[in-house]
Amino acid sequence: AQSVTQLDSHVSVSEGTPVLLRCNYSSSYSPSLFWYVQHPNKGLQLLLKYTSAATLVKGINGFEAEFKKSETSFHLTKPSAHMSDAAEYFCVVSDIVSGAGSYQLTFGKGTKLSVIP
Amino acid sequence: DADVTQTPRNRITKTGKRIMLECSQTKGHDRMYWYRQDPGLGLRLIYYSFDVKDINKGEISDGYSVSRQAQAKFSLSLESAIPNQTALYFCATSSRGTPMAQYFGPGTRLTVL
Repeated sequence: AQSVTQLDSHVSVSEGTPVLLRCNYSSSYSPSLFWYVQHPNKGLQLLLKYTSAATLVKGINGFEAEFKKSETSFHLTKPSAHMSDAAEYFCVVSDIVSGAGSYQLTFGKGTKLSVIP
Repeated sequence: DADVTQTPRNRITKTGKRIMLECSQTKGHDRMYWYRQDPGLGLRLIYYSFDVKDINKGEISDGYSVSRQAQAKFSLSLESAIPNQTALYFCATSSRGTPMAQYFGPGTRLTVL
């Protein structure tokens, strides 16, 4: 069975400093991995996705994530935080459902990012 | 116009009432999903549908039912609402195949008193 662990429930950074949101996963197969962002009172927006191509994935708004199979990690980073980055971020793994020939998403519990002026 | 819309956006109801949440999409996707979000728990899958004739239970389907009226419409019903169904509900869609990136509606905030 697949699972996702977001190692921090809350991260606080100063504006202009780097952002690191940590995610570890477990999967029986070769998974696809995603990061979604949810701004207050909004739906979820896809930030980036990993699909077994390049291990360093670039997303929207300057975010990127690196897939490290040996560490089963998919951490999200951004060189310089902006006030508008304050939101909740979800790491998601997509894995094949054994015997069903279909895929299912499993969401982490979220990391709330605060950006201090 | 939004690709995935949900109605209503907010709803307050009483225990025992029947509630229907509706989702429509203009993305042309075959696959549709219903999730609920609770603080600190992330999103949990209630039901999903890979096409009009295919409905599947998710992780937490008890107390819920769904109807896929057309490719573009997927409704979630609470037959007899209870307070612990108070949550934020999201509809999502995806195309076939992998990677299965999903596209989410704005959510429905449901409160059961």
